[in-house]
Amino acid sequence: TQLLEQSPQFLSIQEGENLTVYCNSSSVFSSLQWYRQEPGEGPVLLVTVVTGGEVKKLKRLTFQFGDARKDSSLHITAAQPGDTGLYLCARAAGNKLTFGGGTRVLVKP
Amino acid sequence: SQTIHQWPATLVQPVGSPLSLECTVEGTSNPNLYWYRQAAGRGLQLLFYSVGIGQISSEVPQNLSASRPQDRQFILSSKKLLLSDSGFYLCAWSRSYNEQFFGPGTRLTVL
Repeated sequence: TQLLEQSPQFLSIQEGENLTVYCNSSSVFSSLQWYRQEPGEGPVLLVTVVTGGEVKKLKRLTFQFGDARKDSSLHITAAQPGDTGLYLCARAAGNKLTFGGGTRVLVKP
Repeated sequence: SQTIHQWPATLVQPVGSPLSLECTVEGTSNPNLYWYRQAAGRGLQLLFYSVGIGQISSEVPQNLSASRPQDRQFILSSKKLLLSDSGFYLCAWSRSYNEQFFGPGTRLTVL
């Protein structure tokens, strides 16, 4: 059972379009991390959000943490083929992370 | 800077054979270490984690075991592999705020 629900599971868009992926839970997060994973490689940390309502920007990526700290979103503006990958959210609990099921994003040229 | 290594990169093993996957970290001391398994295109399942030498916590009952013989070495083992052990195995380390840094992974196929 996933404690973190990510949606959609799969997203295919054309280069230049925008996209948003979501990460939701029924319980409150102390913090939330977003990772991107390319095929055959390990995930790479993109950002950590800690404060309810927080917005962080990383070039064309915008990360938002819900006011109640139960949800988060990742918005990509003008997507490029290099944005293709598996996007994973994860919440911290003690020394451990619990990962969502991921959203696979395909950006076609 | 810190680096994390995993080997082998790929492995094909028959059912019933033993397994040993190795993970080493450089450039840091006393890291937390983790083993995950990932099904194709899906999220990561935590298998084991360790906060110090000889300290192993198991997250799910299964056919695998883990050991940490040295501070920066983490080993995943099995005495007899099952078909269901196939997958992509990832090792990770962390120091603070639970931000984890992953190795390149091992693709295991059990036939």
